[in-house]
Amino acid sequence: TQLLEQSPQFLSIQEGENLTVYCNSSSVFSSLQWYRQEPGEGPVLLVTVVTGGEVKKLKRLTFQFGDARKDSSLHITAAQPGDTGLYLCAGDGEDSNYQLIWGAGTKLIIKP
Amino acid sequence: NAGVTQTPKFQVLKTGQSMTLQCAQDMNHNSMYWYRQDPGMGLRLIYYSASEGTTDKGEVPNGYNVSRLNKREFSLRLESAAPSQTSVYFCASSLTGGWNIQYFGAGTRLSVL
Repeated sequence: TQLLEQSPQFLSIQEGENLTVYCNSSSVFSSLQWYRQEPGEGPVLLVTVVTGGEVKKLKRLTFQFGDARKDSSLHITAAQPGDTGLYLCAGDGEDSNYQLIWGAGTKLIIKP
Repeated sequence: NAGVTQTPKFQVLKTGQSMTLQCAQDMNHNSMYWYRQDPGMGLRLIYYSASEGTTDKGEVPNGYNVSRLNKREFSLRLESAAPSQTSVYFCASSLTGGWNIQYFGAGTRLSVL
């Protein structure tokens, strides 16, 4: 069974600080996606990384896919209250049969 | 665009009652999914449908049934609700092939008393 371990589960920091969220597995993924979910809504895709070592930037958010395609990280620079939400990683396994493997999520609170 | 639409948004049931959660997508996606989300447990797949006419069990299918009515619609039925089924339910859809990017509805918040 493929698993994705996401850490930390909860993070509360002040506006302006930097943070990193991790997603780790012992399995190889053909791609890895990051979603953000706001209260009362469904998850919305932020980015997909598909190549080992790939780095993608979305404004103050930097996403990295591990060289071996087993792990990924999300780094937020100078966090803002608008970044508050639940961040979920999801991996598309090499034999996933249409299913994504989901991390448990990181609940992020940015205090003004 | 409406995207993925779920109804109802909220529901309270008594133990043993039945209900159907409805989901429709207007993006011409082949694949559709039903998840439940509980605090600290992320999204757990209940059932999915890779294409019209097919359905398969996910990680937590017990106590649920599904129907892929047509390409647009995928419903989830609870035949005899139990308190353990209190959760937030999400429907999602994706194109077959590519990177399986999933598009979600706003969810149904279900309480079983």
